[in-house]
Amino acid sequence: DAGVIQSPRHEVTEMGQEVTLRCKPISGHDYLFWYRQTMMRGLELLIYFNNNVPIDDSGMPEDRFSAKMPNASFSTLKIQPSEPRDSAVYFCASSLISQGQGEMPFGSGTRLTVV
Amino acid sequence: RKEVEQDPGPFNVPEGATVAFNCTYSNSASQSFFWYRQDCRKEPKLLMSVYSSGNEDGRFTAQLNRASQYISLLIRDSKLSDSATYLCVVTSPPGVDSWGKLQFGAGTQVVVTP
Repeated sequence: DAGVIQSPRHEVTEMGQEVTLRCKPISGHDYLFWYRQTMMRGLELLIYFNNNVPIDDSGMPEDRFSAKMPNASFSTLKIQPSEPRDSAVYFCASSLISQGQGEMPFGSGTRLTVV
Repeated sequence: RKEVEQDPGPFNVPEGATVAFNCTYSNSASQSFFWYRQDCRKEPKLLMSVYSSGNEDGRFTAQLNRASQYISLLIRDSKLSDSATYLCVVTSPPGVDSWGKLQFGAGTQVVVTP
């Protein structure tokens, strides 16, 4: 099993540009989570999906952020337009409810820098 | 008040020593508890679950105190490789629109020195 796969690993972009982060969950997992981690705020849940349907997006900071899951094997997190304060590490994680709520493999993350 | 609070540390521990630290949570209805470990510039990984009766996994011991709403992690015979940030994780009670979200603490940094 390749685990949760995220791309790109690093992204540097200019303020105002659109950024798209990608995630491939573990095959068969029915939950997918997007987290953001910063030194100031720690690990924050942005949004999560169950069977490709967004369940809770209350953590999405503002309308500039959007997430989609068009199928069971792919999700995107888009920021448009990007701002310097969006600089953070964005993690994707997936899970299968039967495994227990705490077992949630994370991807390696995308380190985003907005200049 | 944050839902999950941890002492950020760092806890500087000589190799071979024991270190312990706690995590407090605010929601008394929280159901499940875990410790994750995060190495520098890496993703968090599940270390162990925390059960009401307490549990051990090798050199690691986790405890839950529901009355005082905290969990603890103790590391015995510390190794250099134990240097990491330890994240406390608490699940919210499941609700209509919540599967039982994982609430992460900000982490406690442990540095094991030779």
